[in-house]
Parts: sequence; structure tokens; C-alpha cells
Amino acid sequence: AQSVSQHNHHVILSEAASLELGCNYSYGGTVNLFWYVQYPGQHLQLLLKYFSGDPLVKGIKGFEAEFIKSKFSFNLRKPSVQWSDTAEYFCAVKVGGGYQKVTFGTGTKLQVIP
Amino acid sequence: DGGITQSPKYLFRKEGQNVTLSCEQNLNHDAMYWYRQDPGQGLRLIYYSQIVNDFQKGDIAEGYSVSREKKESFPLTVTSAQKNPTAFYLCASSLGQGDQPQHFGDGTRLSIL
Repeated sequence: AQSVSQHNHHVILSEAASLELGCNYSYGGTVNLFWYVQYPGQHLQLLLKYFSGDPLVKGIKGFEAEFIKSKFSFNLRKPSVQWSDTAEYFCAVKVGGGYQKVTFGTGTKLQVIP
Repeated sequence: DGGITQSPKYLFRKEGQNVTLSCEQNLNHDAMYWYRQDPGQGLRLIYYSQIVNDFQKGDIAEGYSVSREKKESFPLTVTSAQKNPTAFYLCASSLGQGDQPQHFGDGTRLSIL
């Protein structure tokens, strides 16, 4: 069964710092990859997704993620974080096509200090 | 606005009692999901339903039951067989059967009295 690892559980950054959150998955075949975000007091929402094609995926609010197949990674990046990026971020993976369950990572809490 | 409504927001269960968590969506989505969230464990899939009158077990279905009699409703019952029910429960939906979860509810926090 597939699994997802997020090694950073809690990250604290100052505004304007660059962000990179790690995500690694364990499955050797075709995968769909996702990053979800939950802002304080709000619903969990999809930030970006990778299905195929360009391994560099751009999402909302200036976030991007790069799929590196050889490293089984899908790290989330943002060049310059803002206080409003304070949230919990979840990486998720779906194996193959059709209906397959989505497996979530344990989440990373990002705190941006003004 | 379309979305997912979960109720109640907080729920307390006595020993040996079954409780039901409500999940309603007005998005006309085919697929619905129930996840359990525990500190440090991410979201774990309990049950999912791809279409009305059909549902499948997820990774941690033991001690839970669901029904999908209507497209918009996917209630979750936490039975007395679930020995560690204290958790945060999230309902989600997606438009198509092969899509990833796209909309989430506010969640229900269940505690044991």
C-alpha cells in the first residue's frame, strides 16, 4: 500500500522567507499527487495537483510543487511567504487511475511570523 | 453557496452507545468520503461512496457504518465496537468517482464521556 511522509511537522518562518515543505511517497507506479491546505478556521482545500505532464505544478497563492519521480518526492515551495500563509499543509497521493483512495500525509503546520 | 455541512460540531458519546454524524452536500457530487483525523496521523479513510446505494470500506472501517440512500447525504455511525472513537471526523466529496476529494466539511469532534 502507498504511504506518504511529511518530515517537517512544524515549521516557523519569518515573512519573506522562502518555503519548502518536504513530501515523499512510497509507490513505484503511476501516481497522482496533491497538496491540500487548511487555513485557521477554514475548510481543508486543494492547493495544487499533479496528474501528468510538466512536473512543475503551479497552484494558488504563488505556491508551486515539483514532482521528482526518481526521488519519489513532491515538495511544496513558495519563494516568499506571507503571514496569511500560516496554515496546515497536507501532501496526498493517489495510485493509478480510476477510483483509488487518496492517502494523506500527517501534515505540516506552518507558522509565519510578521 | 454550495458546500458540505457536517453536524453536530461537537458530539459526546457514552460507553456502549452508537452515535451518528451527519454529512450533507448540495454540490451534486457523486462521491463522498469520511476521514478520521488524529494528532500526528493525518487523515485516514474510514468509508467512501462513489454513487448512491454503494459504499466501500476504507483503511479503518472497523467499528463504523455508513449508508448512502440519497446523493446528498452520507451519514457515519460510530458504533460501540469502535473502542477508540475520540477523534476529529471530516466528510468530503468529489464531483466524479475517480476524482480526489475536492470539498471538505467543517468536521465533527467526537469525545467519550
